[in-house]
Amino acid sequence: GAVVSQHPSWVICKSGTSVKIECRSLDFQATTMFWYRQFPKQSLMLMATSNEGSKATYEQGVEKDKFLINHASLTLSTLTVTSAHPEDSSFYICSAVPGLKETQYFGPGTRLLVL
Amino acid sequence: SQQGEEDPQALSIQEGENATMNCSYKTSINNLQWYRQNSGRGLVHLILIRSNEREKHSGRLRVTLDTSKKSSSLLITASRAADTASYFCAPSSGSARQLTFGSGTQLTVLP
Repeated sequence: GAVVSQHPSWVICKSGTSVKIECRSLDFQATTMFWYRQFPKQSLMLMATSNEGSKATYEQGVEKDKFLINHASLTLSTLTVTSAHPEDSSFYICSAVPGLKETQYFGPGTRLLVL
Repeated sequence: SQQGEEDPQALSIQEGENATMNCSYKTSINNLQWYRQNSGRGLVHLILIRSNEREKHSGRLRVTLDTSKKSSSLLITASRAADTASYFCAPSSGSARQLTFGSGTQLTVLP
């Protein structure tokens, strides 16, 4: 139980294009999902908290117009990297929290390479 | 949310040995969680220990919590090559479910 999927698992795109990453909770409903970014050999950095039906809360330093988050249902949150640049290349990981529980369940991650 | 500090940063042991990693935090907590990340993958939840618990077991994992010292330890017994991964602790306080991750402990289990 508590499985989270991400799609795509990896994506290569040209500079200036937009990329959408999906995060789905497969066997539970998640009112809250989190988006992280991880650079090589570094820890996860929280980008934003996504709440179903409301606007996402972004961490300091994260541009909300560049990283668009939509949490349209209790099982799906999307992260769109708009006008991607090479410095946006990273490993993006989402997590979801079932109901009122405290444990985050993580997706397998999406590796983004911007050329 | 507060960030836990894992120690050591890196640990290399032989298969079959035990591995111990530690976590320190700064302010009082409701619970503390341990996660594992295999290279290039998402995190896997290992165990959650609440502030009123001192020790918890799950298979080959043993977690202790000392709230007076604001520290926790994760013991992996009879380690296997498949245990090679980064391990992160995540202290949590209040009602926030947001977690902040430190640099983790990189465990390498040699066959």
